[in-house]
Amino acid sequence: AQSVTQPDIHITVSEGASLELRCNYSYGATPYLFWYVQSPGQGLQLLLKYFSGDTLVQGIKGFEAEFKRSQSSFNLRKPSVHWSDAAEYFCAVGVDRGSTLGRLYFGRGTQLTVWP
Amino acid sequence: EPEVTQTPSHQVTQMGQEVILRCVPISNHLYFYWYRQILGQKVEFLVSFYNNEISEKSEIFDDQFSVERPDGSNFTLKIRSTKLEDSAMYFCASILGQGNSPLHFGNGTRLTVT
Repeated sequence: AQSVTQPDIHITVSEGASLELRCNYSYGATPYLFWYVQSPGQGLQLLLKYFSGDTLVQGIKGFEAEFKRSQSSFNLRKPSVHWSDAAEYFCAVGVDRGSTLGRLYFGRGTQLTVWP
Repeated sequence: EPEVTQTPSHQVTQMGQEVILRCVPISNHLYFYWYRQILGQKVEFLVSFYNNEISEKSEIFDDQFSVERPDGSNFTLKIRSTKLEDSAMYFCASILGQGNSPLHFGNGTRLTVT
């Protein structure tokens, strides 16, 4: 069965520091992978996605993620964190249903706190 | 940029009452979804909907739940007789359905069952 693990429940970084949020998945085929961000009281905003091709994907707000098939990982990175990046981050794996995307399986999320 | 919109943003209801959560997906999207997030837990898939029928549902989506696309724009989730454990944030999502198009989520409806 598909599953997503985000091993870090809460991460605290200083503003300007680099960031890496970990995500590991379990899926039998090539996955569709996503990172979403959720600010308090808000919905899920897509940061970036991987469907195929280049394993290093660029997203919005200066985020990037790298798909490593050998490690079943899709870690999210940002070279310099801004205070506005404080939010909860969700990794998700999607199932290919041919013409469209099937259900997404989400990790438990990583809460990011940014110190000024 | 077009958005998925959900109403209301917060709904409070008594146990046993029926609730309808409303969503307006992005206008040219073809596939529609409901997810929920119980406080402190993972976001969970409930159901997907295409061409006026359910295409996939999870084990959570039992007979108490139903979905409908009553007109060309709205997509609703009905819970017939709410339980305390239905308290959660409910997210609607839609997707164009072509190739590698991503899933767009609404801001959610927080349902509180008392």
